[in-house]
Amino acid sequence: EAHLVESGGTLVQPGGSLRLSCAASGFTFSSYSMNWVRQAPGKGLEWVSYISGSTTTIYYADSVKGRFTISRDIAKNSLYLQMNSLRVEDTAMYYCARGQTAAGGGWFDPWGQGTLVTVSS
Amino acid sequence: EIVLTQSPVTLSLSPGERATLFCRASQSVNSYLAWYQQKPGQAPRVLIYDGSNRAAGIPARFSGSGSGTDFTLTISSLEPEDFAVYYCQHRSNWPYTFGQGTKLEIK
Repeated sequence: EAHLVESGGTLVQPGGSLRLSCAASGFTFSSYSMNWVRQAPGKGLEWVSYISGSTTTIYYADSVKGRFTISRDIAKNSLYLQMNSLRVEDTAMYYCARGQTAAGGGWFDPWGQGTLVTVSS
Repeated sequence: EIVLTQSPVTLSLSPGERATLFCRASQSVNSYLAWYQQKPGQAPRVLIYDGSNRAAGIPARFSGSGSGTDFTLTISSLEPEDFAVYYCQHRSNWPYTFGQGTKLEIK
């Protein structure tokens, strides 16, 4: 069974940096695209970033473009999100979620349990 | 960017009743629409993908319909565990966007 576990969320000051990780298990990691989705406290879901199975295709939401970098390590079955120049409005639960093919997107399933990022002084 | 608008924002029903949730896209997404359920303190889980396909393990009381710009999620007879927030999401093009959610609450 596919399983995702996020880590790395913590309290960080505005302007700071943070790297989130997502450990994948139960499936062939390189055969699937991956995504980061976030949810601000009490708010809805916002897609953040996408990376294809081969890492050749990457997309970002406009709200994080130029500040966040998505990457994956096939050997470690891990997905990452490097977050720089953090803003108060980046405060959210961050979920990693698997796509349905390597090259395309598809619906998101499964999701990890999330890791909380709080940006505050 | 495609905007998804869900209605109603809140739906108050009793167990055993039928629930109908709507999602409207600002432009055609073909059948590329999914529905997710999120319970408090939990991650979302997919219920329906590509408009009308039930995901693995999802009970038959959940069904989806629609194409183009108008979609519906129907729960035929509400169980206590169905009271949650429901989101639609398209995969027509990037960025994939979500609707703002419909909260299904117990009346």
